[in-house]
Amino acid sequence: DTAVSQTPKYLVTQMGNDKSIKCEQNLGHDTMYWYKQDSKKFLKIMFSYNNKELIINETVPNRFSPKSPDKAHLNLHINSLELGDSAVYFCACGASGGVLNEQFFGPGTRLTVL
Amino acid sequence: KQEVTQIPAALSVPEGENLVLNCSFTDSAIYNLQWFRQDPGKGLTSLLLIQSSQREQTSGRLNASLDKSSGRSTLYIAASQPGDSATYLCAVVDSNYQLIWGAGTKLIIKP
Repeated sequence: DTAVSQTPKYLVTQMGNDKSIKCEQNLGHDTMYWYKQDSKKFLKIMFSYNNKELIINETVPNRFSPKSPDKAHLNLHINSLELGDSAVYFCACGASGGVLNEQFFGPGTRLTVL
Repeated sequence: KQEVTQIPAALSVPEGENLVLNCSFTDSAIYNLQWFRQDPGKGLTSLLLIQSSQREQTSGRLNASLDKSSGRSTLYIAASQPGDSATYLCAVVDSNYQLIWGAGTKLIIKP
């Protein structure tokens, strides 16, 4: 049973489109994250939610809007996609206490914007 | 500004060898350091987490050490197997509670 799942696994779309990536965790953790892994393999945190509330919002364009309908889900909606949005996006979760605790990652969603 | 560096970027060794992966960080003020493994299409798997007060952690054939004063951590893999082939990432939680990542070392174990 997958602890952190993401859909879709691959997403290819045209510039200007709007798309969503879904994330679900069944570990019962309070905190969920979205990371972006760029072409140089660095992971950068985008958002962190604790119990459905936004905790961290790094310098991310407001075209990116996370939504947490409940503690087990954190979806990422992206408007007006740009070429530079192409990357692998990882969802993660962890216990309350944020990044001080071990994080569990999903398989990633490879987004390609043409 | 905290920076994390992993050298080498890629490493290829024959099966059965012991090996060491390196991770260095510029600011010793960290809360913890984690080693992860990244397999294509399978996301990241946490391997070991070392708190700032600890010197090492062990899990099976893996041993991670932490020398905060020198800004270094090593991941030792004993008796390597082809299944160990993956990209290994280290990340530190800095004084601002930010998780700062290295770019990873791609490890290939040759049968």
